[in-house]
Amino acid sequence: DTAVSQTPKYLVTQMGNDKSIKCEQNLGHDTMYWYKQDSKKFLKIMFSYNNKELIINETVPNRFSPKSPDKAHLNLHINSLELGDSAVYFCASSQTFQETQYFGPGTRLLVL
Amino acid sequence: KQEVTQIPAALSVPEGENLVLNCSFTDSAIYNLQWFRQDPGKGLTSLLLIQSSQREQTSGRLNASLDKSSGRSTLYIAASQPGDSATYLCAVITSGSRLTFGEGTQLTVNP
Repeated sequence: DTAVSQTPKYLVTQMGNDKSIKCEQNLGHDTMYWYKQDSKKFLKIMFSYNNKELIINETVPNRFSPKSPDKAHLNLHINSLELGDSAVYFCASSQTFQETQYFGPGTRLLVL
Repeated sequence: KQEVTQIPAALSVPEGENLVLNCSFTDSAIYNLQWFRQDPGKGLTSLLLIQSSQREQTSGRLNASLDKSSGRSTLYIAASQPGDSATYLCAVITSGSRLTFGEGTQLTVNP
């Protein structure tokens, strides 16, 4: 059984388009996260949600909007995609922020 | 602002060697420290989590230590195997639920 799943796995799109990435966890965790891994492989947190409420919102362009319909899902919507948005986006979850985080397989976004 | 540094950036060893990966962080006010493994093109797998009150954690051939006061952690891998080849990432959690990652150590274990 997949603990944290993301769709799609790969996403290739044109500049200016709007796209969404979905994340689901079946671990019963209360906290979910979105991370961005750039071309230099550096991972940086973007957002954190606890029980559907936004906890962390790092310095991320407002073109990025997370949505949590329930505590098992945290989706990421990106408006007006730019070349610099090309990266791997990882979703993760944990029971509390002090406990082990479990990562999804990543979504590889390429903006042309 | 928390900064996490990992040394070395890359390491290549022959199979069977014991090795140590280093991680340092600038703000000692952490809740815990996690070591992850990332295989090429894959997500992250949590290896060990050390709470701020703990000194070390062990799992199989892996042992992680934490010296919070000096802002350091080490990951010790015993009897390395080719299957251990991956990028190892250190991350700390500080106030506000922030998980700050180091840039990783790319390990290659040669048969």
